[in-house]
Amino acid sequence: QQQVKQSPQSLIVQKGGISIINCAYENTAFDYFPWYQQFPGKGPALLIAIRPDVSEKKEGRFTISFNKSAKQFSLHIMDSQPGDSATYFCAASEGGSYIPTFGRGTSLIVHP
Amino acid sequence: DGGITQSPKYLFRKEGQNVTLSCEQNLNHDAMYWYRQDPGQGLRLIYYSQIVNDFQKGDIAEGYSVSREKKESFPLTVTSAQKNPTAFYLCASKAQGEYEQYFGPGTRLTVT
Repeated sequence: QQQVKQSPQSLIVQKGGISIINCAYENTAFDYFPWYQQFPGKGPALLIAIRPDVSEKKEGRFTISFNKSAKQFSLHIMDSQPGDSATYFCAASEGGSYIPTFGRGTSLIVHP
Repeated sequence: DGGITQSPKYLFRKEGQNVTLSCEQNLNHDAMYWYRQDPGQGLRLIYYSQIVNDFQKGDIAEGYSVSREKKESFPLTVTSAQKNPTAFYLCASKAQGEYEQYFGPGTRLTVT
């Protein structure tokens, strides 16, 4: 059973465009929602994270939107750059175990 | 320089051989994790350890074994019982009571 569903599996955008990746979860006990960025052959690195008490968090060109009632959250990359080309994973954790459940990932390609 | 190291970066083995992947961290983190990454599958948890001399099975522990004799080290052995061992293996660590995981650079294992 996939507890965190991520879409799309792959995404191609033009430089300067907006990249949007969506995730949905089932477990209402989740209380921490991070996004990780992974470049080919490297380990994932935390990009941005949100708690369910806020609906949006912005860090530079990266924004998480969170909809608690719909149990959905999304990553928006504004002014997408070729250097943003990577695989992005959403995840969700609960405070009891702190072990994240990962989405299956989205491969983003930004064309120059 | 604090961080997580995994060695080797690439590993090749013949079918039927056990192989041990190294993971070392100098972040003074209590918890350590092993994930397996396959294309389109996201990150799947193999084993995790929240304290020295203790570890628990993750979602796909069959065919793998671990030890946690030191806080800094969490080696993973891929045994000959693992039916499909070729994959990218990621080690991560986390401070107690925190959500964020820090990942190593990964080891790509190829078994032929």
